[in-house]
Amino acid sequence: AQSVTQPDIHITVSEGASLELRCNYSYGATPYLFWYVQSPGQGLQLLLKYFSGDTLVQGIKGFEAEFKRSQSSFNLRKPSVHWSDAAEYFCAVVSLLGGGADGLTFGKGTHLIIQP
Amino acid sequence: GAVVSQHPSWVICKSGTSVKIECRSLDFQATTMFWYRQFPKQSLMLMATSNEGSKATYEQGVEKDKFLINHASLTLSTLTVTSAHPEDSSFYICSAPQGVSYEQYFGPGTRLTVT
Repeated sequence: AQSVTQPDIHITVSEGASLELRCNYSYGATPYLFWYVQSPGQGLQLLLKYFSGDTLVQGIKGFEAEFKRSQSSFNLRKPSVHWSDAAEYFCAVVSLLGGGADGLTFGKGTHLIIQP
Repeated sequence: GAVVSQHPSWVICKSGTSVKIECRSLDFQATTMFWYRQFPKQSLMLMATSNEGSKATYEQGVEKDKFLINHASLTLSTLTVTSAHPEDSSFYICSAPQGVSYEQYFGPGTRLTVT
């Protein structure tokens, strides 16, 4: 069964500093990988996704993520965080073999705190 | 972009009663929809896959008789929590994939509180 691990439950970053959120997945074949952000009281918003091709993907709000097959990782990065980035971040995976008919498997999430 | 709505956004019900939550794809058709459950400060757990015109597929450990799913049309799936108990209190979120990108569009969620 596929699984997603986000080893950091909480991360605190100063405003303007760089950010990296870790995500490791366990899956036999090439997965489809996603990063979502959930702000308090709001729904999930897709930040970026990886299906194939260039392993460095750009997303919205200045985020990027790099797929590293050898490390089974898909870490999310941002060069300079803003106070509005404080939220819960989820890494997720879906089976390629499912043809889009499978639900997502989510990591436990990382709570990002921004210090002024 | 594709929009998924949920209704109601929050609901409070008494123990023993049933509650229906609607999930609609507003600008696209969805033969498949997914229902997730999220406990406070925790991750989303897939509960079931809703299939238009056929029975839903439930994840292991999810009681199909408690969480009734009906996918009546290409734009509507409903989740009915039957004989609700306080432990059913949670945030329920639906999603629908669109196109060939496997990207799922999420509804805003429904907060259920059972008293």
